Amino acid sequence: SQQGEEDPQALSIQEGENATMNCSYKTSINNLQWYRQNSGRGLVHLILIRSNEREKHSGRLRVTLDTSKKSSSLLITASRAADTASYFCATALRQGGSEKLVFGKGMKLTVNP
Amino acid sequence: DAGITQSPRHKVTETGTPVTLRCHQTENHRYMYWYRQDPGHGLRLIHYSYGVKDTDKGEVSDGYSVSRSKTEDFLLTLESATSSQTSVYFCAISGLPLYEQYFGPGTRLTVT
Repeated sequence: SQQGEEDPQALSIQEGENATMNCSYKTSINNLQWYRQNSGRGLVHLILIRSNEREKHSGRLRVTLDTSKKSSSLLITASRAADTASYFCATALRQGGSEKLVFGKGMKLTVNP
Repeated sequence: DAGITQSPRHKVTETGTPVTLRCHQTENHRYMYWYRQDPGHGLRLIHYSYGVKDTDKGEVSDGYSVSRSKTEDFLLTLESATSSQTSVYFCAISGLPLYEQYFGPGTRLTVT
């Protein structure tokens, strides 16, 4: 099963509302990252939170990390139609001598104008 | 797209033919990655490079090989394409292995 799994898999909200996406993972991590992908484009890095951090902000984005529950949440406040995209969490871990970023399957956010 | 280009952007090829995808960066980043993205599977790592001529396998490396002869170029080769390799392929770069990655625009490959 996936190291990182986003929940819900799809979310549809109205412009101006807040959107919350969750990510659960299974093993100890170095950091956790969130990425956005607009349709037909490459992923874009949004924010990184280290394992010793609990909360981080960037503009309208707020990320929390609970290492005891192995979960993270991404909150987008005052959503806009332009926030419509797929969002991925990625866990950074050291495993078997290698260092790698493992991506979840992603979740689709639709913001209706 | 952070100084990363991929070529070609679209390719249709027949089963059994060799295919090479190119990733080119102008950021002088040490680490380069090839991923494939498929519905229901998310993003999966094929191969990565941690320096010139230094490469390693990812989780779905069977049927793929890579080469990196220069810092700026990372090639992905399908020696004999199969229909299961129909996918969107993304190249990514990073300065450090566990930190933010910057993605190229992707290559849509169809194997008929």
